[in-house]
Amino acid sequence: DSGVTQTPKHLITATGQRVTLRCSPRSGDLSVYWYQQSLDQGLQFLIQYYNGEERAKGNILERFSAQQFPDLHSELNLSSLELGDSALYFCASSVDGQGNQPQHFGDGTRLSIL
Amino acid sequence: GQQLNQSPQSMFIQEGEDVSMNCTSSSIFNTWLWYKQDPGEGPVLLIALYKAGELTSNGRLTAQFGITRKDSFLNISASIPSDVGIYFCAGRGPPNTGNQFYFGTGTSLTVIP
Repeated sequence: DSGVTQTPKHLITATGQRVTLRCSPRSGDLSVYWYQQSLDQGLQFLIQYYNGEERAKGNILERFSAQQFPDLHSELNLSSLELGDSALYFCASSVDGQGNQPQHFGDGTRLSIL
Repeated sequence: GQQLNQSPQSMFIQEGEDVSMNCTSSSIFNTWLWYKQDPGEGPVLLIALYKAGELTSNGRLTAQFGITRKDSFLNISASIPSDVGIYFCAGRGPPNTGNQFYFGTGTSLTVIP
């Protein structure tokens, strides 16, 4: 158990809809990272938050957004969903914001778009 | 985004054999991490490397941070069935990349009892 909690585990929805994925980092971790993992691709970095502020941005679509709340949990919002958004979405957390400490991953949310 | 070249893509080995996989990049990385992912679960950290030339072990696993800082290797000795899974390398870029971690495409390991 990594200590990172993601909910829900599975999500099935239709094209055009909007969903919110939730992540609670390990106790004491200030950084939260979001990744997308598709069948034909590896882990793609989406965005990082550190202590409530956006720290780094990767390949995140404009239809996607995230935030980190004062209690350090984070939410990833995906809107105007398309079939290609079907993937595993992982959250990871670490103590620092500079990448000097390794990231610990949750078990992911599997998003299926019908 | 940047992708690391990880090889081999897949391996089928007999139980008891040793395994080697590697990761290369065209860019210099300051940190290398190795993860294992089981089906339906998130990646689990195996080994973290922070210095060029560093050699670190975790049980039957040994990883090295290449001297050029552009590659890393993971070795598994005396493989067992529970070693089955997908192994990912990850490298942390310099500050001008936002200290992002870039992940390899994974090595799928199958251990035949």
